[in-house]
Amino acid sequence: GQQVMQIPQYQHVQEGEDFTTYCNSSTTLSNIQWYKQRPGGHPVFLIQLVKSGEVKKQKRLTFQFGEAKKNSSLHITATQTTDVGTYFCAAGGGADGLTFGKGTHLIIQP
Amino acid sequence: GAVVSQHPSRVICKSGTSVKIECRSLDFQATTMFWYRQFPKQSLMLMATSNEGSKATYEQGVEKDKFLINHASLTLSTLTVTSAHPEDSSFYICSASAVGVVGPMHFGDGTRLSIL
Repeated sequence: GQQVMQIPQYQHVQEGEDFTTYCNSSTTLSNIQWYKQRPGGHPVFLIQLVKSGEVKKQKRLTFQFGEAKKNSSLHITATQTTDVGTYFCAAGGGADGLTFGKGTHLIIQP
Repeated sequence: GAVVSQHPSRVICKSGTSVKIECRSLDFQATTMFWYRQFPKQSLMLMATSNEGSKATYEQGVEKDKFLINHASLTLSTLTVTSAHPEDSSFYICSASAVGVVGPMHFGDGTRLSIL
C-alpha cells in the first residue's frame, strides 16, 4: 500500500505563530487527506486533495498538494489554542482503507 | 453529515476476558468498514478491513483468531478481542465511508481498552 512520511513529529509554537506540517511519499498518490485529532478524541476529516498542484484554504488553514502528487503540506496561520491536536495526513481510501502518516503533534504555548 | 457510532467508549477488564466493540454507520450504508489501533502518541495503524457478507481482510501481523471481525449488515461491524491481555490495551477506532465513495472517512469515537 501507499506509505507517507510526515514531519515534524512535534511542533511547539507560541500562540499567534504559524505552523506547518509536511507529508512525503516515494510514490505518486491518487489523493491525500488531512485529519485532526484532538487529545482523547478521534480523527476528524479536514480536507481531501486530488489534483496536482492543488491549493485549498479553510480560514487560517492552507493545504497544498505537490505538482508531482508526492508531497503535501498543511499550514496554519496565526495559531490559536483551539488548534492544539495532532494533524495527520493520510493516503488511500475507498476499499483499501487509509494509510496514515505518523502525525504532527501541535503544542501551543500561550 | 455522515455519522459513525462506536460502542463502548471505554472498557476496563481482567486479563483473559473477551471484549466486543460495535461500529455502526447511522445514516449511510457501508459495505466496507475499517478497524484501526492507536497506541499513545502514535499514529493509527490499520488492523483489518471488514467487508459486509464476507471475511475480513487482515493486515500483516494482525492475528485473525485474536481479533474477530463480523460485518453482518451494511451498517454494523463488530470487533471482538478474544482472551485479551495487557498488551492488547489500546485505543481502537473504526471508520467507514459511504458505498462507492473514495473520500472522507468517518470515524467512530473510539474505544479505549484497558486490560488489567
